[in-house]
Amino acid sequence: NAGVTQTPKFQVLKTGQSMTLQCAQDMNHEYMSWYRQDPGMGLRLIHYSVGAGITDQGEVPNGYNVSRSTTEDFPLRLLSAAPSQTSVYFCASSYGQGNEQYFGPGTRLTVT
Amino acid sequence: RKEVEQDPGPFNVPEGATVAFNCTYSNSASQSFFWYRQDCRKEPKLLMSVYSSGNEDGRFTAQLNRASQYISLLIRDSKLSDSATYLCVVTGAGSYQLTFGKGTKLSVIP
Repeated sequence: NAGVTQTPKFQVLKTGQSMTLQCAQDMNHEYMSWYRQDPGMGLRLIHYSVGAGITDQGEVPNGYNVSRSTTEDFPLRLLSAAPSQTSVYFCASSYGQGNEQYFGPGTRLTVT
Repeated sequence: RKEVEQDPGPFNVPEGATVAFNCTYSNSASQSFFWYRQDCRKEPKLLMSVYSSGNEDGRFTAQLNRASQYISLLIRDSKLSDSATYLCVVTGAGSYQLTFGKGTKLSVIP
């Protein structure tokens, strides 16, 4: 049981490039989410999903897209990277409302 | 008013000390409460849930005061391994979404 996995661990992009951050969980959790963490800002919710085929926006969704075609996978797409998207990105999942969320190890993204 | 506010810290304490973290939340409909721990450059991990009656797990005690919308975490007999950032987290009624405080950094000094 691997829990929540994320790839890549590190990534450097140039402004304007696109990429997909991968997230997968093997715990059959309904809920999955993406956060970004910046110094002094805490964790902020980007997008979330309450089940396959259902996604919604969080606090800071601009510049990001998500899809949820399976229960296991929840990729985050950066459409046209900007330096303001330099951050640490965490994916998380939980099995029900109000329950603890399990986090992946994070992806450290730098946009130059 | 921010949704979840914590002491900004940092807290620098000697080994063996008792340290308390405080947190306030703005949404009176919040249902679930947690303390997470985050080590440097790692992901957040659940330390403990917080129940209305208060709860204890070894050296850690969490308290909830719904009337004052206040949560606390007490660490007794601090260890070097307790050095981390402690995040206060709440969820809304009927919601999956977690709202995080910015965290309080603790350094336990030999």
